[in-house]
Amino acid sequence: ETGVTQSPTHLIKTRGQQVTLRCSSQSGHNTVSWYQQALGQGPQFIFQYYREEENGRGNFPPRFSGLQFPNYSSELNVNALELDDSALYLCASSLEPGMTYEQYFGPGTRLTVT
Amino acid sequence: AQSVTQLGSHVSVSEGALVLLRCNYSSSVPPYLFWYVQYPNQGLQLLLKYTTGATLVKGINGFEAEFKKSETSFHLTKPSAHMSDAAEYFCAVSDYRGSQGNLIFGKGTKLSVKP
Repeated sequence: ETGVTQSPTHLIKTRGQQVTLRCSSQSGHNTVSWYQQALGQGPQFIFQYYREEENGRGNFPPRFSGLQFPNYSSELNVNALELDDSALYLCASSLEPGMTYEQYFGPGTRLTVT
Repeated sequence: AQSVTQLGSHVSVSEGALVLLRCNYSSSVPPYLFWYVQYPNQGLQLLLKYTTGATLVKGINGFEAEFKKSETSFHLTKPSAHMSDAAEYFCAVSDYRGSQGNLIFGKGTKLSVKP
């Protein structure tokens, strides 16, 4: 069984650019959540996708957007990058949304904005 | 609103010593609580979780945590530290608002283990 994978591993972008991060969920999981982990902080919830629809969002501006595909893989897009967007971006998949379903995390994508 | 506070951003112990990482939570409803470990340049791995039932929860790698409602605490312990335990540890509570079940994390505690 393949776990959660993310690509790329590392990425360097310039302020104002746009970036797309990718996540493949664990086999059989239809729910993907994205988190941002700034240096020295715990992860913060960005949003969740369930069966190709956004299923809730944390306190992040609209320039953070996402997609989920029929195979339940997901993308996180960030427009108009700011220096504060530099962080480790983690995705997590689960069988279903909700508190009773364990979230399995990928290794993350390290984004540096210069 | 729910929140998690981890006391001590950095804890250092000697190999073989007791590991105690502190976590206090705030929640107006019975919480689901979690401990995750993060090794350098890796994602998060679930150590253990409390949902309902027995308040002493055993996890992987010899770790355990006790849910104490009266103290709003969920401290993580391990009787004897190994060098391989050096990592960052995050306590989290499941957000009961909405249907997502997303996690609210503390800021983390970095554990160092001295030989």
